[in-house]
Amino acid sequence: GEDVEQSLFLSVREGDSSVINCTYTDSSSTYLYWYKQEPGAGLQLLTYIFSNMDMKQDQRLTVLLNKKDKHLSLRIADTQTGDSAIYFCAESIRATNKLIFGTGTLLAVQP
Amino acid sequence: SAVISQKPSRDICQRGTSLTIQCQVDSQVTMMFWYRQQPGQSLTLIATANQGSEATYESGFVIDKFPISRPNLTFSTLTVSNMSPEDSSIYLCSVEEAGTQHFGDGTRLSIL
Repeated sequence: GEDVEQSLFLSVREGDSSVINCTYTDSSSTYLYWYKQEPGAGLQLLTYIFSNMDMKQDQRLTVLLNKKDKHLSLRIADTQTGDSAIYFCAESIRATNKLIFGTGTLLAVQP
Repeated sequence: SAVISQKPSRDICQRGTSLTIQCQVDSQVTMMFWYRQQPGQSLTLIATANQGSEATYESGFVIDKFPISRPNLTFSTLTVSNMSPEDSSIYLCSVEEAGTQHFGDGTRLSIL
C-alpha cells in the first residue's frame, strides 16, 4: 500500500539549518514534492524532485532523495521565522497522477 | 503557474444542508483534483474531476455524498451533501500543470 511518514514536529533557532525527513513506500513514484502550509492558508508548492534524481537545490532549499531507502529530505538553510509552517511531502503515483501526502511536519523557528 | 480561485473561502453551515464549492483556473488544464484536509490532519484525495465524464472517486468517497461537476477545462465544483459535523474540513482543489500539482487556498467548512 501507499504510505508516507514524517516526524510531527521540528524546532530550530533562527539562522540554523532545518532538515525535514520523509519516508515513503511506493517505489513507482514519479515525482516527490514538498509543500508548505502556513496557518489559515492553502498549500504552496516549494520544490519537487524527479524520482531518478538524487539531489536538487533551489536557493535555500536542498532536496535529497535516497530511492533505495525510500527516504526524502528537505533542508532549509538559514531558517527564518517566516519559514514557520507545516511542511508536507507527497509522492505522485505513476499512471494516476494522484498525490499521496505525508502526515506533515510542524516547523517552529525560534528567534 | 496556473492561478486557482476557490469560492467560498469559508462557510459555516447547518447539519443536513449541502454546499457547493467552486474552483476556477485561469488556464485550461487536463487534470483537476479535490482533496479534503480534516482538522490537524494531512490531505486525502476525494476524487479526480474528469472533463466531460463522471469523476473518479477514491476508496471511502462516493458520488452521492460528494457530487462533482467538470463542465470544461477551467472549472469544477464539489458539493458536500447532507452535511454533518464530521464533514468539517478544509476542501482544496488542485490542478496539474507540467507534472506538478498546484493548489487553491481551500474552502474552510464548519458544520454546526
